[in-house]
Amino acid sequence: GAVVSQHPSWVICKSGTSVKIECRSLDFQATTMFWYRQFPKQSLMLMATSNEGSKATYEQGVEKDKFLINHASLTLSTLTVTSAHPEDSSFYICSAPGTSGRGGDTQYFGPGTRLTVL
Amino acid sequence: AQKVTQAQTEISVVEKEDVTLDCVYETRDTTYYLFWYKQPPSGELVFLIRRNSFDEQNEISGRYSWNFQKSTSSFNFTITASQVVDSAVYFCALSEAGSGYSTLTFGKGTMLLVSP
Repeated sequence: GAVVSQHPSWVICKSGTSVKIECRSLDFQATTMFWYRQFPKQSLMLMATSNEGSKATYEQGVEKDKFLINHASLTLSTLTVTSAHPEDSSFYICSAPGTSGRGGDTQYFGPGTRLTVL
Repeated sequence: AQKVTQAQTEISVVEKEDVTLDCVYETRDTTYYLFWYKQPPSGELVFLIRRNSFDEQNEISGRYSWNFQKSTSSFNFTITASQVVDSAVYFCALSEAGSGYSTLTFGKGTMLLVSP
């Protein structure tokens, strides 16, 4: 199946700093990518839809100024957590549809990035 | 109301037992897709199956089988002869035409613990 990578796999940072997480589709192009957040022992919650060449679409309740998303190319989307605070500590996962633009595409997920804010 | 309900929070079985994970969904769309994903302790989600709303045929893949019943809005997952490596959190998810298809709504997940 399609491969999606994320970098870094884990990061620890001090409160107030910004952290950038990269999501790459390795063997296919993705005009759309998705960013999810998962708290311990909870489900995945969609944060935003990243669109290549245009602004991201954020889910209700997600601060777009805090979680900056840039989809610079057909294989790369980045999520920057700005001025991170301890409550931002979570597992962040990206995904990309296997065939962009088609209905019911299988989503392929990256391995996730565990963010810990001290 | 939850769109995807996985009522079983945690299931514990002994190796070689069969186990069924339940998934009930809710949608007004006539066209939709259902998925199951496995999340082992490492955290990475592993795709297991995708089923569209027009295909009610049950599917078997090795020790895994899925029972899709539109009449009860259920898409249950059975593992036959469970193994320790099956221990993981399993998520059922729904993709609806009304939400643009690619967006997935996840259930809360069922943690499966298989002991030797």
